[in-house]
Amino acid sequence: GENVEQHPSTLSVQEGDSAVIKCTYSDSASNYFPWYKQELGKRPQLIIDIRSNVGEKKDQRIAVTLNKTAKHFSLHITETQPEDSAVYFCAAHLEGRGGGNKLTFGTGTQLKVEL
Amino acid sequence: EPEVTQTPSHQVTQMGQEVILRCVPISNHLYFYWYRQILGQKVEFLVSFYNNEISEKSEIFDDQFSVERPDGSNFTLKIRSTKLEDSAMYFCASGASRNYGYTFGSGTRLTVV
Repeated sequence: GENVEQHPSTLSVQEGDSAVIKCTYSDSASNYFPWYKQELGKRPQLIIDIRSNVGEKKDQRIAVTLNKTAKHFSLHITETQPEDSAVYFCAAHLEGRGGGNKLTFGTGTQLKVEL
Repeated sequence: EPEVTQTPSHQVTQMGQEVILRCVPISNHLYFYWYRQILGQKVEFLVSFYNNEISEKSEIFDDQFSVERPDGSNFTLKIRSTKLEDSAMYFCASGASRNYGYTFGSGTRLTVV
């Protein structure tokens, strides 16, 4: 099955700095890679995603890159703000043999943006 | 913006009891999922459901668990004979297609005592 590793587990940055979170996946058949932001006690919320036929995607201060050959993908947040503080999860989507599909999540990164 | 609705938000149950967690997916979605998150840990896949049947399930989803879509709008997760280690946040999710990002519900916090 798919295995997703995520680093770092915690990340502290100063307001205005950039933050980078990295993930690797194991199954080359994974074809879709979303990133979720989860605030304490709340649901994961999709913030950006990328498909396996695209190398980079950007949405305002957030960008994601994908290297299929190396099987890794990264989240980049620029000009960080205190409200960016949360846990961020990467995930890899794999279609199962039975036609089902699932997301395998990374272990999460606690991002803290300090004033 | 359409939402996935889950009830109850918090459920406390005695060990060995059965619980049913309820979800109302987004109305035009066809793919439904349950995930769980033990406190402080990552989100784990339990089961995916499409066309009124389970299409994928994880090792966690054993005979203790079952899912049902009884009336075309609700999607339920039943946990029989709950154990202490079943305590977690359970998230329902739905998607319009297999390959797009899911929308997660706000979760049900299950506490088994």
